[in-house]
Amino acid sequence: DGGITQSPKYLFRKEGQNVTLSCEQNLNHDAMYWYRQDPGQGLRLIYYSQIVNDFQKGDIAEGYSVSREKKESFPLTVTSAQKNPTAFYLCASSILASGGADTQYFGPGTRLTVL
Amino acid sequence: DQQVKQNSPSLSVQEGRISILNCDYTNSMFDYFLWYKKYPAEGPTFLISISSIKDKNEDGRFTVFLNKSAKHLSLHIVPSQPGDSAVYFCAASESGNTPLVFGKGTRLSVIA
Repeated sequence: DGGITQSPKYLFRKEGQNVTLSCEQNLNHDAMYWYRQDPGQGLRLIYYSQIVNDFQKGDIAEGYSVSREKKESFPLTVTSAQKNPTAFYLCASSILASGGADTQYFGPGTRLTVL
Repeated sequence: DQQVKQNSPSLSVQEGRISILNCDYTNSMFDYFLWYKKYPAEGPTFLISISSIKDKNEDGRFTVFLNKSAKHLSLHIVPSQPGDSAVYFCAASESGNTPLVFGKGTRLSVIA
């Protein structure tokens, strides 16, 4: 049963603590992405990776870090430097088809609440 | 500067009627466009896409129209059903495997 998993569904942390959100895919997709959704803001790109051991900053990378040690895994760490970490975080992956017509598929999301 | 704009935050439609969701873009290099549907507290689900070599793509009740000269695309849902009530996101990308750029979404409510 292929897909993208994110865990946990809900996460609570105290202010000042780092927290790592998990994202795993078994679709054999090359690229993985992290987005953040806030009310009225749509989806904003945090980081993305098109190949193992390489990743690029998106539009709102400040206060976040990622790693891509394995093709199927792309964890996101929300650091204490992120000023407004409470949000709904979405992970996605895509196959990186030649020619660039690239459809992303999303995981179920993690709701992070910082108290 | 928003490259992909969905100017209607919300839309209400009677069940059985047509829903038309609109999206405008500013980057003329975009050549691949997608629509996603999202329920609260869930990840977006891919609905339908269109490349810039076409002006229409149809999949069941969903049709996407692309007007390149106006930099405008629209999603038509006909007939609309209560289960279509969700937030719809328009997204676009340039060829060469650049990340998608998303609009802010339109909340569709289909009233029985």
